[in-house]
Amino acid sequence: EPEVTQTPSHQVTQMGQEVILRCVPISNHLYFYWYRQILGQKVEFLVSFYNNEISEKSEIFDDQFSVERPDGSNFTLKIRSTKLEDSAMYFCASRPSTGGHTEAFFGQGTRLTVV
Amino acid sequence: AQTVTQSQPEMSVQEAETVTLSCTYDTSESDYYLFWYKQPPSRQMILVIRQEAYKQQNATENRFSVNFQKAAKSFSLKISDSQLGDAAMYFCASVNSNSGYALNFGKGTSLLVTP
Repeated sequence: EPEVTQTPSHQVTQMGQEVILRCVPISNHLYFYWYRQILGQKVEFLVSFYNNEISEKSEIFDDQFSVERPDGSNFTLKIRSTKLEDSAMYFCASRPSTGGHTEAFFGQGTRLTVV
Repeated sequence: AQTVTQSQPEMSVQEAETVTLSCTYDTSESDYYLFWYKQPPSRQMILVIRQEAYKQQNATENRFSVNFQKAAKSFSLKISDSQLGDAAMYFCASVNSNSGYALNFGKGTSLLVTP
């Protein structure tokens, strides 16, 4: 069964360092998302990506964040200068088509720890 | 803006019994979709059930069913014949067409299943 794959599963980084989280969405899916979940809190939307550009972003997704789909398969989230409060679980998700009824498939997440 | 509220931080149910998890939402949109996602200890988000707002019939997936009360903006999840494997965090979510159909999650309900 196709699945969304995220690497690494756990990333530890020093405050101020850049980090890149990687995702391989399900092929032939068209919509891609990043969410984050701070420990013990709800899952929060960061950004949506469609047709090779950002379609929407939340207030959390400030200038420190960027997304790319460099080669048609990978979908990356970059945090330029990490802060302690960026420590969270980051989930990538993809959907096959437009329409709110279609299921979003989630990856297993990357746990980011900023020290 | 859409908000999703889950008022039960924790719930407990005995194996084989039935439990209902509550969810209310607020939206100004006339066309929207509602979901319940399960997050087991592995942290991966798994779709449990979905409901299209224009459908009056409550969605059902095996032991999982919803009670969708559109006028009251309520979307509760009923789990029948609870199993130990049902123990997880359960998140209610709505789809926001203004955010590239990104999911808007509630804070979650932690379900404990006791033998």
